[in-house]
Amino acid sequence: YVLTQPPSVSVAPGQTATITCGGGNFGMKNVHWYQQKPGRAPILVVHDDRDRPSGTPDRFSGSRSGNTATLTITRVEAGDEADYYCQVWDENPDHVYVFGTGTRVSVL
Amino acid sequence: EVQLVESGGGLVQPGGSLRLSCAASGFTFTHHYMDWVRQAPGKGLEWVGRVRNRANSYSTDYAAAVKGRFTISRDDSKNSLSLFMNNVKVEDTAVYFCVREFVPGEALDNWGQGTLVTVSS
Repeated sequence: YVLTQPPSVSVAPGQTATITCGGGNFGMKNVHWYQQKPGRAPILVVHDDRDRPSGTPDRFSGSRSGNTATLTITRVEAGDEADYYCQVWDENPDHVYVFGTGTRVSVL
Repeated sequence: EVQLVESGGGLVQPGGSLRLSCAASGFTFTHHYMDWVRQAPGKGLEWVGRVRNRANSYSTDYAAAVKGRFTISRDDSKNSLSLFMNNVKVEDTAVYFCVREFVPGEALDNWGQGTLVTVSS
């Protein structure tokens, strides 16, 4: 099970960054998104396709259409520069967590 | 506040063994499934494995890359998670993160700061 993301996305401050995640049949699986800044541990920014943990700015939103999940960051700020990973739990045939290939968001 | 603090990383020779530990606090440890996730230098995230809670018999799941070599265990009396790495390979070099499952099989909502394991002769 491979989740494919674009390697990089570049965006100007104040604009919108869109990160896609696909490559498998999501079915009933929930998609989750993590932000990782250099030298830091990942943090959860969106869970269950579109829900935000407390502390995640509402500029971050998740969505899903068919077999593609999307993380959208509106009004991008310099502090949003990071790597972003999608993730699902796969139960067939083995019980494993699968991470996407990761997307580096660069703020111009 | 949830805290996960890893320890035990370091340099180990190929074929050797190492035990990582994770001290948990700030939540009811016994309720949650706990995982290890690793990240090789300059690479993406890779799930290593998980241990379920007592209600689910402390059963475990592992990624294919480590199955048969790594063992995850927990001590609920000490709020502690362990990863025993046996017969390590150069490709096991990575930062290892201790992670809490929010709900079983769903998001990983709290991560430790990680501990670096380097496998080299």
